[in-house]
Amino acid sequence: AQKVTQAQTEISVVEKEDVTLDCVYETRDTTYYLFWYKQPPSGELVFLIRRNSFDEQNEISGRYSWNFQKSTSSFNFTITASQVVDSAVYFCALSDENTGNQFYFGTGTSLTVIP
Amino acid sequence: KAGVTQTPRYLIKTRGQQVTLSCSPISGHRSVSWYQQTPGQGLQFLFEYFSETQRNKGNFPGRFSGRQFSNSRSEMNVSTLELGDSALYLCASSLRPYRFEAFFGQGTRLTVV
Repeated sequence: AQKVTQAQTEISVVEKEDVTLDCVYETRDTTYYLFWYKQPPSGELVFLIRRNSFDEQNEISGRYSWNFQKSTSSFNFTITASQVVDSAVYFCALSDENTGNQFYFGTGTSLTVIP
Repeated sequence: KAGVTQTPRYLIKTRGQQVTLSCSPISGHRSVSWYQQTPGQGLQFLFEYFSETQRNKGNFPGRFSGRQFSNSRSEMNVSTLELGDSALYLCASSLRPYRFEAFFGQGTRLTVV
């Protein structure tokens, strides 16, 4: 069965600190996709990144970076030099071929950046 | 390019009533999915439509139903509302199912009293 675990429920950091959000997933499929979404207080889920199971290259986008490791079934997300605007709930999600476009979401990590 | 539009943004209904929520996907997107978000259960998949066909359905009672029109717009309906149906209902659109990123609307906040 598919499952996504985000063990960190809440994290608080002081502005300009780096922070890593953990995501561990389970799936029996060899072809799957992993996603990160940000949910600010307005409620909309904002797409951050998509990764397929065949591409283990790490990715950097500005202050954001992602570390995908199939060996440990992890897809961690790091924010460098955090800012107050990064405060939000972050969700990791998994989809695979057998479940169509259904996303299995983790429970989310609430990040608070303190000025 | 307009994003995903959900209407209405807020709704207050009474137990036993029914409600219809609407979602207009991004132009050109043919896949629409619906999710329910509650503090206790998190984000749970309701159903997914592609080219007017329901392709996948989550573990929700038959009171929850949906449809997709030829212009890809989608509606979901909840009949005989219960207090536990109070939630944020999110719609997501993507070009096609599975391997494409989904873009979410701001959701409809439903409160059942």
